[in-house]
Amino acid sequence: QVQLQESGPGLVRPSGTLSLTCSVSGGPIDSNLWWHWVRQSPEKGLEWIGEVYHSGTANYNPSLNNRVTISVDKSKSQFSLKLTSVTAADTAVYYCARVPDGGYGPFDYWGQGTPVTVSS
Amino acid sequence: ENELTQSPGTLSLSAGESATLSCRASQTVNYNYLAWYQQKPGQAPRLLIYGASSRATGIPDRFSGSGSGTDFTLSITRLEPEDFAVYFCQQYARAPFTFGPGTKVDIK
Repeated sequence: QVQLQESGPGLVRPSGTLSLTCSVSGGPIDSNLWWHWVRQSPEKGLEWIGEVYHSGTANYNPSLNNRVTISVDKSKSQFSLKLTSVTAADTAVYYCARVPDGGYGPFDYWGQGTPVTVSS
Repeated sequence: ENELTQSPGTLSLSAGESATLSCRASQTVNYNYLAWYQQKPGQAPRLLIYGASSRATGIPDRFSGSGSGTDFTLSITRLEPEDFAVYFCQQYARAPFTFGPGTKVDIK
């Protein structure tokens, strides 16, 4: 059974960098799969952040204004999210998720989510 | 960006009744790459339907999806107590992938 688990600080200071890691178990990270980050807040609902392939190729939501970097570490079966210059608007529950079959597909597995608050 | 809207915002029903949820896209969803998810409080979304009408693994047949182009529907027949939740649609045809705001199905 594939499992995803987010980890990282639950509190980030304004103008700082939000850093989260998703650990993948029960399945490969380097098969024909894309790995995604999605966040959810009462204000914006569910919002797609971006995706990464095991090769390191990544795509991002333009709405995040080039503040996002998603990377993968195959040796650790992990992928990571960095979001810079955070504000209170980045406060949300952050989920990692998987898309099978080469890219354009639904999110079939999700992590449990980790809440992140941006506050001084 | 393909904006998704959902209606109604809230649906109040009793167990055993049927629910019809609507999702409308601002642009055509190519290949009917439209998914539905169920979310309960404190949990991640759970995939129910993909490709507009295909049930995900383990999803009971009281859940069905239909539609094409810009108009899609999720139907739930014979609501069970565990079906009271929030339902989201999502398009994965074109990045940025987008979600609807959700429909809450609650107990009347």
